[in-house]
Amino acid sequence: EVQLVESGGGLVQPGGSLRLSCAASGFIFSNYEMNWVRQAPGRGLEWVSYITSSGSNTAYADSVKGRFTISRDNAKNSLYLQMNSLRAEDTAVYYCARETRRVPSYYWGQGTLVTVSS
Amino acid sequence: EIVMTQSPGTLSVSPGERATLSCRASQSISNNLAWYQQKPGQAPRLLIYGASTRATGIPATFSGSGSGTEFTLTISSLQSEDFAVYYCQQYNNWPPLTFGGGTKVEIK
Repeated sequence: EVQLVESGGGLVQPGGSLRLSCAASGFIFSNYEMNWVRQAPGRGLEWVSYITSSGSNTAYADSVKGRFTISRDNAKNSLYLQMNSLRAEDTAVYYCARETRRVPSYYWGQGTLVTVSS
Repeated sequence: EIVMTQSPGTLSVSPGERATLSCRASQSISNNLAWYQQKPGQAPRLLIYGASTRATGIPATFSGSGSGTEFTLTISSLQSEDFAVYYCQQYNNWPPLTFGGGTKVEIK
């Protein structure tokens, strides 16, 4: 069974940093591309970032480019999102998602809440 | 960037009735369209991909159709557990991956 478990969310002040993790199990993690998707309170879904299976290529939404960094450790079956220079508008539940059959977000984790506030 | 537009924003339906949700893409996305269901406090769940293929474990009461720029999700007979928010997503030309704004299906 595919399992994705996010962690690392919490309350952070504007301008601060946070690192999210996504622990994967139930599949060969190194075979799959991964994404981060977020959802602000009461709002819709917004794609944040993408990484290839090897980690050699990444992509970012314009709203986070230059501030967020996606990475992965295939030996640890883990995906990460380093978030710097956080803003109030980054407040959201952050989900990691796995690609399958060309669908970038076939499987989803349960999400972790990031709150940026003073 | 491909803009996805869903309509209506809210759909009021009685249990047992049929619900039809629409999604429009700002340019052709072939059949690279997915539908998700999201209930309060839960992560989205994939229902349909490739515009019309049901994901693993999704009942036949959910069906998808369309190609190019116009897509439809149909729920043939609404059950209590189907009242939720539904999102469409294009994955034909990305990044960025883009979602529609969602349709809330509520009990009439």
